[in-house]
Amino acid sequence: EVYLVESGGGLIQPGGSLRLSCSASRFPVNIHYMSWVRQAPGKGLEWVSALFSGGDRFYADSVKGRFTISRDNSKNTLYLQMNSLRVDDTAIYYCAKGVGFGFLSWFDPWGQGTLVTVSS
Amino acid sequence: FMLTQPHSVSASPGKTVTISCTRSSGTIASNHVHWYQQRPGSAPAPVIYDDNQRPSGVPDRFSGSIDSSSNSASLTISDLKTEDEADYFCQSYDGNNHWVFGGGSKLTVL
Repeated sequence: EVYLVESGGGLIQPGGSLRLSCSASRFPVNIHYMSWVRQAPGKGLEWVSALFSGGDRFYADSVKGRFTISRDNSKNTLYLQMNSLRVDDTAIYYCAKGVGFGFLSWFDPWGQGTLVTVSS
Repeated sequence: FMLTQPHSVSASPGKTVTISCTRSSGTIASNHVHWYQQRPGSAPAPVIYDDNQRPSGVPDRFSGSIDSSSNSASLTISDLKTEDEADYFCQSYDGNNHWVFGGGSKLTVL
């Protein structure tokens, strides 16, 4: 069974930066379509960013220019660098593996999530 | 476009419930719709992919369909069990390098 474990969440002031990590087990992140999806407290799911196997990066309009997705193949880990954080970025951040091809894919599995709280 | 779901649905154990996911613009059949179940305190997990396919391990009580006349997708759960009580989200591709999720539907099994 494949696993994803996120880390790096915490309390951060508005305007601050945070880097989330997603460690993958039993499959290589560099040959799959990997995404970050967030969920604000009591709210629905919002796709945030994706990194495709070929290296293409995609972002939701709400985070474009502030967040950067990347991966370290040697550590088999996906990252999300979050800069200029805003109160409305407060959410549980999940990483998820895409199944299928590109944007035709669906997400399975998901990690357990890491909570990011942006507050002064 | 947006995917609109009912905020909540409910039914009794053993009954059948259907959750809709209506696409606001464009045609629902343009891109596959996927469905996720999220139990309280847990991460989402897929229950239907590519409109009507079930991932391994998902019981055949779960089924999906597309209705072009209403421009919507539907998730149907038959023979409801208390363990089905959860939030359900639909998801699709917007054709412009973004994924879109529906707002989610809370299923209560009375």
